[in-house]
Amino acid sequence: NAGVMQNPRHLVRRRGQEARLRCSPMKGHSHVYWYRQLPEEGLKFMVYLQKENIIDESGMPKERFSAEFPKEGPSILRIQQVVRGDSAAYFCASSSGTDNTIYFGEGSWLTVV
Amino acid sequence: QKEVEQDPGPLSVPEGAIVSLNCTYSNSAFQYFMWYRQYSRKGPELLMYTYSSGNKEDGRFTAQVDKSSKYISLFIRDSQPSDSATYLCAMREAGSYQLTFGKGTKLSVIP
Repeated sequence: NAGVMQNPRHLVRRRGQEARLRCSPMKGHSHVYWYRQLPEEGLKFMVYLQKENIIDESGMPKERFSAEFPKEGPSILRIQQVVRGDSAAYFCASSSGTDNTIYFGEGSWLTVV
Repeated sequence: QKEVEQDPGPLSVPEGAIVSLNCTYSNSAFQYFMWYRQYSRKGPELLMYTYSSGNKEDGRFTAQVDKSSKYISLFIRDSQPSDSATYLCAMREAGSYQLTFGKGTKLSVIP
């Protein structure tokens, strides 16, 4: 897990608020992935990004969720108007693109109250 | 039928035992197979990465893939209390970046 940095590690939001989760990939990696782990569920793919581009967002809910990976700075997963069902662990992962080995960060635990 | 099936356990073994963890899958296009270890409230840590059928050994860990049976295994020899964690199998198709995970098996190694 060393190298993929996520923050905040824990986030509490009231229903209707916005949550912003940040991810800095491992050094030398330009490919970023977001996965969600719901309680008692396996990790599910959400979105794949490269710098300034969304490559695949087929796993993202159609509403309220968005992701970006700007030229400078970390990748951001944004959840607008959070609901209780958004409570989950959100994991960022990265890879170099030449080697498809994917390394995960420590996760951000979102609790919606 | 779910794409990847994994017995959630929990599995409890005495220290020093050999542990066998397994996953079955339905998608014959899966070519790359991984095992991750996840401690409570932590991120998944890559343990083993294998391509297609065969065995791979790394220290106390051995990964086996049987594509004809659509069945993968992870063996842990001389298990230690520090091995207590949830073990996730994951797999992907050639040319794809999306990992499909099992739900994980919770392992406890009792001293």
